[in-house]
This record gives sequence, structure tokens and C-alpha cells, in this order.
Amino acid sequence: IAGITQAPTSQILAAGRRMTLRCTQDMRHNAMYWYRQDLGLGLRLIHYSNTAGTTGKGEVPDGYSVSRANTDDFPLTLASAVPSQTSVYFCASSDGTTVFFGSGTQLSVL
Amino acid sequence: RKEVEQDPGPFNVPEGATVAFNCTYSNSASQSFFWYRQDCRKEPKLLMSVYSSGNEDGRFTAQLNRASQYISLLIRDSKLSDSATYLCVVNIPAGNMLTFGGGTRLMVKP
Repeated sequence: IAGITQAPTSQILAAGRRMTLRCTQDMRHNAMYWYRQDLGLGLRLIHYSNTAGTTGKGEVPDGYSVSRANTDDFPLTLASAVPSQTSVYFCASSDGTTVFFGSGTQLSVL
Repeated sequence: RKEVEQDPGPFNVPEGATVAFNCTYSNSASQSFFWYRQDCRKEPKLLMSVYSSGNEDGRFTAQLNRASQYISLLIRDSKLSDSATYLCVVNIPAGNMLTFGGGTRLMVKP
């Protein structure tokens, strides 16, 4: 089934550890995004990529990095996790008109 | 001021009621507008795009007012299954990014 796959579904992580959230889409969309969603703050854009080989910073990029080596994959890395990065993370891709979301990763940093 | 603002609600309405949500946006250059629906602990999904002339999809009607920079969503004959959070989404031309409002929570009661 075509769509976006995120992994892991959930993760508990010790502060200071490095973590990569995986995101893969098979719809050949050029644009991909990472959002975090926190109660009362809605969805906030972390990083985005308009096409393979390019990335850009969103609203809340600090503490996160991304790469876009190919069209399908857009991993998000937390180099040294902190408790404030506890959140639900959604990866998304767009065909230029509609944005499609993965099912999310619940991350808890203790 | 946030780029996209919504009343967080919750809106508590009985089945069969008509309910309307508004959303204001700050960037007058925005060109694309959407309503997304998000169920608890799930990913957002596209409900409908919002066109300049207004558009209707069954019980749902979306309107755009460019002069006042707001979009609206009207739900007629509310169903229990309409209970969800409704996210207003606006395309920010610079960087081709989507900005999400914080969402309006709707609870339809029997």
C-alpha cells in the first residue's frame, strides 16, 4: 500500500542519547517534512526538503538535523536528546497540493 | 501574532447541529488553504481544500475571505463521528511550506 512509513512507532530515550527517526515514502513526492506536535502548540515544522539533495529549516529546527539523500527517505536525527524534545513527531510528504502524513512517532526523553 | 490562528475550542454540540469554525492567517501572499481532520493520537488527514469561490463536500462547506484573511468550515447535521480536531492549514509561499493552526476541537454529543 502506497504511503508514508515512520519508525519506530514509539520510543523512550535517555537524555543525551542520539536518536534517528526514520521516514520513507513510496509516492515519489518531491517535498517532505518533519513536524512535532505538542499539546497546546499544534503542529510545528522542524525541517523540510523540497527535493532530494536539499533541506531547509522550519520553525523549530534547533537540536534536530535531517538529510535527503534520495527521494524516498527523510530521516530526522536528534544528536543529543533533551526532555523538551518529548513529543509526537510526524513525517509528511506532498505532491504539491496535498500533504500526506505518516502515523507518527511518540518520543519520550527522560 | 501566530501566522495561522484558530479558536482551540472545544466546541460541544448535539447531534444534528450546525457548527462553524473560523481561522485567520497573517500572510496576505498565501495562496493555498486546507482543512485537515485529526483524530485523537492519529495523523492529520486532508478533509478538503478551500477554493476562492467556496466549495462544498456533502455536509461540509469551506469558504475563503481574502480581504479579511480568514477561512471557515461549516459542518451541517453533525454526526458523532465528526468529533475530532480540525486543523486550518495555509501555504506560506516562501519556501513552499504549510503552516498549521493549533486546531479546533469538536465534540458531538448524542
